[in-house]
Amino acid sequence: DGGITQSPKYLFRKEGQNVTLSCEQNLNHDAMYWYRQDPGQGLRLIYYSQIVNDFQKGDIAEGYSVSREKKESFPLTVTSAQKNPTAFYLCASFAGGYSGNTIYFGEGSWLTVV
Amino acid sequence: DQQVKQNSPSLSVQEGRISILNCDYTNSMFDYFLWYKKYPAEGPTFLISISSIKDKNEDGRFTVFLNKSAKHLSLHIVPSQPGDSAVYFCAASKGTYKYIFGTGTRLKVLA
Repeated sequence: DGGITQSPKYLFRKEGQNVTLSCEQNLNHDAMYWYRQDPGQGLRLIYYSQIVNDFQKGDIAEGYSVSREKKESFPLTVTSAQKNPTAFYLCASFAGGYSGNTIYFGEGSWLTVV
Repeated sequence: DQQVKQNSPSLSVQEGRISILNCDYTNSMFDYFLWYKKYPAEGPTFLISISSIKDKNEDGRFTVFLNKSAKHLSLHIVPSQPGDSAVYFCAASKGTYKYIFGTGTRLKVLA
């Protein structure tokens, strides 16, 4: 089945540690995204990538880093510089053109700082 | 600066009646709009979209209306079903890959 796979589903991090959230898609989509959801704040864009080896900061990129070495993969690293990392993280990819301008989401990853 | 706003955080509707979810935006350059449905601890699922060249798009029980002069769009669900209970997000873009999401409206359909 085609789709977006995020892992792990749940992750606990100690303060001061970096963690990496995995996102893989087999939809052959060019663009990929990372969003963060906090209660009452909707979905906020962290980073997005339109093509391999290229990415842009979203609205809340501070304390995060990404890479896009392969079309299928867009991992997100939450660094120790992120002041409030506990949140629900969503990876997505974009189907444009004849497929329709639609974003498809993964199932999400819960990150908790302990 | 919240460019896409959903001013009603929650809405309760009786089963079988119409649900109307509203979304306002500030950027007149937005040209494509999406609606998503989200259950807790899951990723949002796409419901319906509309381009700025249209003022209405319909898909089964879901209809989206776009009023460009008012910078307002709405999602109508008719008839509402208990399984429709979820958080609904609208999103907008302006010809790029960057989509801006609203804060969501929690819909509760009462049986």
